[in-house]
Parts: sequence; C-alpha cells; structure tokens
Amino acid sequence: ETGVTQTPRHLVMGMTNKKSLKCEQHLGHNAMYWYKQSAKKPLELMFVYSLEERVENNSVPSRFSPECPNSSHLFLHLHTLQPEDSALYLCASSQEGTGDPEAFFGQGTRLTVV
Amino acid sequence: QKEVEQNSGPLSVPEGAIASLNCTYSDRGSQSFFWYRQYSGKSPELIMFIYSNGDKEDGRFTAQLNKASQYVSLLIRDSQPSDSATYLCAVENSGYALNFGKGTSLLVTP
Repeated sequence: ETGVTQTPRHLVMGMTNKKSLKCEQHLGHNAMYWYKQSAKKPLELMFVYSLEERVENNSVPSRFSPECPNSSHLFLHLHTLQPEDSALYLCASSQEGTGDPEAFFGQGTRLTVV
Repeated sequence: QKEVEQNSGPLSVPEGAIASLNCTYSDRGSQSFFWYRQYSGKSPELIMFIYSNGDKEDGRFTAQLNKASQYVSLLIRDSQPSDSATYLCAVENSGYALNFGKGTSLLVTP
C-alpha cells in the first residue's frame, strides 16, 4: 500500500457508541494530522502529532481522543458523539523540518452520528 | 484567528477558457501556500505550492503569490470539464499543518 490509508471509509454510530478511526501512512513522514470537514465550512484542524507527540489541540471536545502509537499510525477514538459531529474526517501526513509542510491526505472516513 | 478567505462560487467558465481562483490570508508571517483540488466525495489532492513572490507555472496551472497584498491565486488555462471541482487554498501555520479556506467551486461547461 502507498500513501495514506484510512479505515473505515464509512461509519454510522449512535450517540452512546464508542468507535475508533484508524489512519496509516506509508510515506515515512514524521507528522500526522486529523482534520474535520463539514459542509460549507473550511477544513478544521483538530490534532497535530509531530514525532509521535501531540503539539496542537484546537479546542476539540474531549469526546474526541487521538492516539499516535508510532509515526506511521494515528487513531481517533470517538465516544458519546453528537449529531453535529457528523462530517468527513480526514487524516493527513507531512514531513516536518524540511521547510515543505505539504500535506498528503487519506480518503477520509464519512461519519454519521444518529 | 488566522484566516484564509476564498469566494465560495460557484465559478462557471466555458471549456477552453482561463479560470481564475483567488485567496487572501491574514497571517503575514506565512511562508508556504498551497492549492488543493477536491472532487466531490474525495479527499483533497495537491495541485501546486508556492513560496516566493511572483508566478509559478506547472502545465496548465499557474500559481501567483503577492505577500505584500497577502494574496495568492491559481490560474487554470484551457479549462476542461474534468477540472470541475472545489479548489482549496491552504496556508502554512507556524511551520507545520495548514489552514484551509472554504474552497471555491469551479464548474467548467462544455
């Protein structure tokens, strides 16, 4: 596999469920990101991991919990979500320290909270 | 709050014409600027990036940057129906991660 892969591609969950989104990058990058894309809104940066350490958390509700066990894998754990959390969740990776923060995106997970 | 502004469109151009997409940003310290294309239901894919003032050309695409005016644009020459998509302007944020605009929807009509 190449690039950035996300699973699952689609997820429907109830407000009391617990689920996890998975992202894996095969590019040898040292930074990974979670973005949320809602209709009519810009891509919103949620979490940034650099060298497996979280460096930014843009005031994301605690019902979203990221985990980065190594530089190739990133998870987003979900619990007690709200219907307004329904969106496309995109994972991205980049190589920091090269002066080129180009981000490569996965295909996204389309999340629907019912 | 660092802002990236784009006209949401839709911008409609006939096939073969030049499409001009514009973006302004608020963070004067930003150094890197990117244009992504996103087809409906797909993830964003990078088209071009630009770091220096002036023009940068890649095939039918030209990115233009004016840091004094905090303005970046994308020109698409000889527009094709396959260019119909949403174009996202992204600006580097403090050396990592990117701030995105809402995107401009482009429709190229045959």
